[in-house]
Amino acid sequence: AQKITQTQPGMFVQEKEAVTLDCTYDTSDQSYGLFWYKQPSSGEMIFLIYQGSYDEQNATEGRYSLNFQKARKSANLVISASQLGDSAMYFCAMNRGNAGNMLTFGGGTRLMVKP
Amino acid sequence: GAGVSQSPRYKVAKRGQDVALRCDPISGHVSLFWYQQALGQGPEFLTYFQNEAQLDKSGLPSDRFFAERPEGSVSTLKIQRTQQEDSAVYLCASSPGDRGLMWVQPQHFGDGTRLSIL
Repeated sequence: AQKITQTQPGMFVQEKEAVTLDCTYDTSDQSYGLFWYKQPSSGEMIFLIYQGSYDEQNATEGRYSLNFQKARKSANLVISASQLGDSAMYFCAMNRGNAGNMLTFGGGTRLMVKP
Repeated sequence: GAGVSQSPRYKVAKRGQDVALRCDPISGHVSLFWYQQALGQGPEFLTYFQNEAQLDKSGLPSDRFFAERPEGSVSTLKIQRTQQEDSAVYLCASSPGDRGLMWVQPQHFGDGTRLSIL
């Protein structure tokens, strides 16, 4: 079975600074995808970034980057130059390659950006 | 709009009533997923459709939960004889669903339906 662990229930970051949100995963699959989603207080789930298990380079998407360390089974999200609008819940998720695309989510990290 | 649309946005029902939640996926998306999100937790998988076929319903918590997607587009999640523990946000997501590429495709979520059972 797959498992996603996010060990930081809540984090503060100063506006304009960078922040790293931790995510570790457990799977016996060789093919899988790792995803990060943002959920503001309004409730919608916004896709941020994706990393495939065979991707050799870390994914980047604007101010978001994914620090993928396969041997350590970690997929940390790095947000550069934090903005007030980044305050939200952040969820790490993974799916099982070739065995269904359903996502397994971690418990989330609440990020609060201070002005 | 072009995103996933869910209705109603909020639903309040008395214990024992039946409810129906609707999801309209992104046009052309083959895969459709339902998730349940309890307060303060991450979403949990309920069921999955590929076109009109329900390929996985292993996450449905009881036989009171039923989902359908009869024409391969709009989906309905039905909960019969609701209980207080059914109170949660129900999220629908869709993805293109191309065979061979499914596991690299991000899912796009709707705004959810917040269900409260009194």
